[in-house]
Amino acid sequence: EVQLVESGGGLVQPGRSLRLSCAASGFTFDDYAMHWVRQAPGKGLEWVSGISWKSGSIGYADSVKGRFTISRDNAKNSLYLQMNSVRAEDTALYYCAKDMDHVAGAIDHWGQGTLVTVSS
Amino acid sequence: QSALTQPASVSGSPGQSITISCTGTSSDLGSYNLVSWYQQHPGKAPKLMIYEGSKRPSGVSNRFSGSKSGNTASLTISGLQAEDEADYYCCSYAGSSTWVFGGGTKLTVL
Repeated sequence: EVQLVESGGGLVQPGRSLRLSCAASGFTFDDYAMHWVRQAPGKGLEWVSGISWKSGSIGYADSVKGRFTISRDNAKNSLYLQMNSVRAEDTALYYCAKDMDHVAGAIDHWGQGTLVTVSS
Repeated sequence: QSALTQPASVSGSPGQSITISCTGTSSDLGSYNLVSWYQQHPGKAPKLMIYEGSKRPSGVSNRFSGSKSGNTASLTISGLQAEDEADYYCCSYAGSSTWVFGGGTKLTVL
């Protein structure tokens, strides 16, 4: 059974940094691309960033480009999102998500999310 | 990276069919056959319902079907059931390792 468990969320002040982690199990982690998707309270889904199986292809939403960095450690079956210079509009539930392909397919499994609140 | 356009809400009675549209551009939805649809119940994580425009994952009811024409994709739910009431999101590959979601559609089963 695919399991994705996010951690690292919490309350952070504007302008500060936060690192989200996602522990994956139940599948061969290094065979699949991974994503971060967020959902602000009461709002829709927003794709944040994605990384291919060997980290050769990485993409970011314009809203986070230059501030967030995605990475993965295939030896540890883990996905990360380094969030720098956070803003109030980054407040959201952040989902770790698995792709069904090495590079680009569709998200077929989701974690339960970790909540990030940006506030002074 | 503009969000794909979906109607804010749709509704239907049990047993009826409804269709949710998702409109993008020639740079995203129109250029790739990587359109997926997700169902999200309140307080729950999204669930994949359709991928590559019209394919159903194992375990998803055949009452759900997808199609794409040009810059528009559609999700059709036939034989509407109370449990189908949820938010639905489309998503498309947009090139350069980026993806874009639609704004979401709230489905109400009357």
